[in-house]
Amino acid sequence: GAVVSQHPSWVICKSGTSVKIECRSLDFQATTMFWYRQFPKQSLMLMATSNEGSKATYEQGVEKDKFLINHASLTLSTLTVTSAHPEDSSFYICSARPGTGGRETQYFGPGTRLLVL
Amino acid sequence: QKEVEQNSGPLSVPEGAIASLNCTYSDRGSQSFFWYRQYSGKSPELIMFIYSNGDKEDGRFTAQLNKASQYVSLLIRDSQPSDSATYLCAVTTTTDSWGKLQFGAGTQVVVTP
Repeated sequence: GAVVSQHPSWVICKSGTSVKIECRSLDFQATTMFWYRQFPKQSLMLMATSNEGSKATYEQGVEKDKFLINHASLTLSTLTVTSAHPEDSSFYICSARPGTGGRETQYFGPGTRLLVL
Repeated sequence: QKEVEQNSGPLSVPEGAIASLNCTYSDRGSQSFFWYRQYSGKSPELIMFIYSNGDKEDGRFTAQLNKASQYVSLLIRDSQPSDSATYLCAVTTTTDSWGKLQFGAGTQVVVTP
């Protein structure tokens, strides 16, 4: 149980284009999903917290107009990188939390590697 | 001061030995503690969580929590080459009701045959 999928796993795009990444909880309903970014040999950096049916909460320094997050249902959240540039190339990972309350575990998706040329 | 601190390593452990990983946290009100394993190029996977002071065992893994000392550790018994990975300590923040995790930078473990 507690499986989270991400699509696509790899994406290469040209500078200036937009890229959408999907995160799905396959066998549970996720009231909260999180989006992280990880650069090589660095730790996870939380970008935003997304709750179903409400606006995402972005961490300080993360541009909400560049990284659009939509949590359309209890099993799907999307991250759209708008007007991507080479510096946006990174490993993007989502996680999903099954319920409410601070003790619920986050389960991670397999990640999406983005390369912007 | 970082909220969650870990030694970056690498921690070199002979095969079959015990690997001991440490983590300290600054938020005294933190209540939930997690250990994740991350292989190179992969996303984190949950190993264990612990909420109460003391030890919690799951197979070859034991998590230890000491809230008074704000310290959580992970022991890996009978270490195998497949345990070579980066281990991330994560703590929930008391100020966030959505269960946002604060991650340490991770400890790299290398198990040598």
